[in-house]
Amino acid sequence: GDSVTQMEGPVTLSEEAFLTINCTYTATGYPSLFWYVQYPGEGLQLLLKATKADDKGSNKGFEATYRKETTSFHLEKGSVQVSDSAVYFCALSGYSSASKIIFGSGTRLSIRP
Amino acid sequence: NAGVTQTPKFQVLKTGQSMTLQCAQDMNHEYMSWYRQDPGMGLRLIHYSVGAGITDQGEVPNGYNVSRSTTEDFPLRLLSAAPSQTSVYFCASSATQGGETQYFGPGTRLLVL
Repeated sequence: GDSVTQMEGPVTLSEEAFLTINCTYTATGYPSLFWYVQYPGEGLQLLLKATKADDKGSNKGFEATYRKETTSFHLEKGSVQVSDSAVYFCALSGYSSASKIIFGSGTRLSIRP
Repeated sequence: NAGVTQTPKFQVLKTGQSMTLQCAQDMNHEYMSWYRQDPGMGLRLIHYSVGAGITDQGEVPNGYNVSRSTTEDFPLRLLSAAPSQTSVYFCASSATQGGETQYFGPGTRLLVL
């Protein structure tokens, strides 16, 4: 079945550092890919998404490119801020999952001032 | 729009008690779902609905019941609470199933003693 694997946390960085959170997936066909973010005490909210190969999703300085050849959707940001501290979830929705969204286990990110 | 609302925010139950977690959305979304979030396990789908009168099981449905009598409401019932159901529960909705942004409620934190 479909699955998502993302790097384990926690990840701790200093402000203005470069961020990469790795995400790979297993799915039949061409799933849609998502990054959701969960701030402390809140529900998840969509950060960005990509629906076909080579698409780049971007929002709030974050980017991720849909790589079909490596089945990856890594999240990047060039200069993180303290306000980016949150838990980040990679997710997919595809044919073999009956279009239900499958989430990775989440990566906790902490940014030091 | 209020988006997705959930009540209560926090609940303590004794083993064997029953309760209903409420979820409502005002976006006229057809697709609604319930997830539980446990440390290190991401979000797991409990039940979902593709429209009023239609529900189906997700990954971890045992011990939970749902119904969808209206487009707006999707309550989750715990029939006989167990300590293993201690978790944070999130309700989500989207316009359609698959490839669409899901909108999450703020969550219900449940403790079963």
